[in-house]
Amino acid sequence: EVQLLESGGGLVQPGGSLRLSCAASGFSFSRYSMNWVRQAPGKGLEWISTISAGGTGTYYADSVTGRFTISRDNSKNMVYLQMNSLRADDTAVYYCAKDKVSYSSDYFDFWGQGILVTVSS
Amino acid sequence: EIVLTQSPATLSLSPGERATLSCRASQSVSSSLAWYQHKPGQAPRLLIWDASNRATGIPPRFSGSGSGTDFTLTISSLEPEDFAVYYCQRRHDWMYTFGQGTKLEIK
Repeated sequence: EVQLLESGGGLVQPGGSLRLSCAASGFSFSRYSMNWVRQAPGKGLEWISTISAGGTGTYYADSVTGRFTISRDNSKNMVYLQMNSLRADDTAVYYCAKDKVSYSSDYFDFWGQGILVTVSS
Repeated sequence: EIVLTQSPATLSLSPGERATLSCRASQSVSSSLAWYQHKPGQAPRLLIWDASNRATGIPPRFSGSGSGTDFTLTISSLEPEDFAVYYCQRRHDWMYTFGQGTKLEIK
């Protein structure tokens, strides 16, 4: 059974940093690109970052480029999102999501339950 | 950048009724479009991929159609558990775009 479990969320002040983690199990982790998607309060889903299966390719939405860094550890089946220079509009539930097809896919077939990040003073 | 526009924003129906949700792309996306269901406090769930393929475990009352710029998600007979927000989504290069969502609520 595929499982994705996010952790590391919480309350942080504007300008601060936070690192989210996603623990994956139930599939061949090293063969799949992984993603982060967020949902701000009252808003829709927003893709923010993808990392390729091997970790060499990283991609970001314009809204987080230069502030967020995605990484992975295939030996631990973990994916991370380092968030720096956080702003109030980064407040959201952050979801970890798995690509549907190994190595590259257009869709996400499994998602975690999400973790709340609140940026406020 | 391809924009996905969903309509209506809110759809009020009763259990047993048929639901028709629309997603329009600002330019052709061929058949590369997915639909997701999202309930409060839960993980989003993939329903349909490549416009018309049901994901694993999705009941047959859910169906997708369309190609090019116009897509439809149909729920043939609404069950109480189907009331949720639905999003369409597609990928272009390494960028993923979601529609703004349609909230399906109980009438």
